[in-house]
This record gives sequence, C-alpha cells and structure tokens, in this order.
Amino acid sequence: EIVLTQSPGSLSLSPGERATLSCRASQRINTNYFAWYQQKPGQAPRLLIYGTSTRATGIPDRFSGSGSGTDFTLTISRLEPEDFALYYCQHYDTSASWTFGQGTKVEIK
Amino acid sequence: QVQLVESGGGVVQPGGSLRLSCAASGFTFSSKGMLWVRQAPGKGLEWVAVIWYDGSNQNYADSVKGRFTISRDNSKSMVYLQMNSLRAEDTAVYYCARENWVEATKGNLDYWGQGTLVTVSS
Repeated sequence: EIVLTQSPGSLSLSPGERATLSCRASQRINTNYFAWYQQKPGQAPRLLIYGTSTRATGIPDRFSGSGSGTDFTLTISRLEPEDFALYYCQHYDTSASWTFGQGTKVEIK
Repeated sequence: QVQLVESGGGVVQPGGSLRLSCAASGFTFSSKGMLWVRQAPGKGLEWVAVIWYDGSNQNYADSVKGRFTISRDNSKSMVYLQMNSLRAEDTAVYYCARENWVEATKGNLDYWGQGTLVTVSS
C-alpha cells in the first residue's frame, strides 16, 4: 500500500506570498493517478489538480501542480485570502483504492 | 449542475447499523463510479468504498471490509452505504463523491456531497 506524506504539516504565510506544498509517496506512482484537493472548515473537499498538473474546472491559474516518481508539489503563486485552507494530496491505485495524505494547513501569518 | 446530497447520518450505539444514502443529479449517473470517503473529527480524509458505474464490482478499505456494503440504484440515481457492526472509530463525516476519468487520468473525485455525520457512541 502506498503511503503519502505531506510536508509541512502547516504553513504560515501572508496574502500575496507564494506557497509550496509537498507530497511524497512511499513508492513511485503514475502521474496520471495523482490529485490535490482543497478543504475549508465545514465544507467538502474540492478537486484542485488532477493528473499531477491539470487544473480542475474553475480553478484559478495561481494554482499549479508538478512532480513525478515519488515527489509532488502544489504551488500557489500568490496567496489570496480565500486560499487559506487545508490541502490534501491523493493517489488512485489500479486495484481501485484511494489514499490521501494527512494534509497541509495553510494559515494566515 | 451536478449535485450529491447525503442523508441517513445520526447517532448509533456500538454494534449497531446505519444506512447512508446519496442522491445524485445533474449528470448521467449510470456512467460514473461512486465512492464514499469519511473524515473523523479533526482528522484527514479516508477512502471507504467504491462501486463501479454499473454496480458490477465494489471495493472496500480494509478498515470496513466485511462490515460495510456499498450499493447503487441507477434507476433512482442513488448510492448507498450499509454500515453494520459499527465501532467508535467509525465516527466521522461521510461524503459521497463522484469519480471521473479524464483522458489518461483516473481516480479524480470531481464532485462531493456536503457530508453526513455518523456518531457511534453509547
């Protein structure tokens, strides 16, 4: 079973700053099966990025994803007030199972 | 627009049963796989179960295998989660989510319901 480890656990930044979130897999994974989600308090998760680097419908271009092998990154180029939230990485395994990272909280400094 | 609406959550005693429902609308339900994902209070996301678009196959997380059953009724655009032998550690918000495949990408959960809270407590 693949384990996803996100770092850091939390990130304190100011609006306008750049956020870089990492997700490391315990073994190499297919980039087509990797995604990022955003979750705000009291809300359901929202798909941000799929296939490692493709933005989901309606996601602003300040969000970008990259990576390969075992190391993946979500970058928010300039933080807007609405971007302060929890972020999860996710992997789909072809055995039809899903794994999530433990989350990174992006907080206002 | 796509909507997923869960219902059926509540408080249940350990060892009890509960059936969650998810009503889908705004898309061709019979063409999409559907999942249940849960989130314990203050914790991260945990995949629970998936059912194929036609109901022909299901898969479960080890933590619920043998206790939970996912099913669907494509004529009603509904997906269900029957939860038996409930434990305190099953306490969570349960979300239903739609799986979407886009070109070569798979496993994308592009729409989620608002969730329903299940509390297992005596």
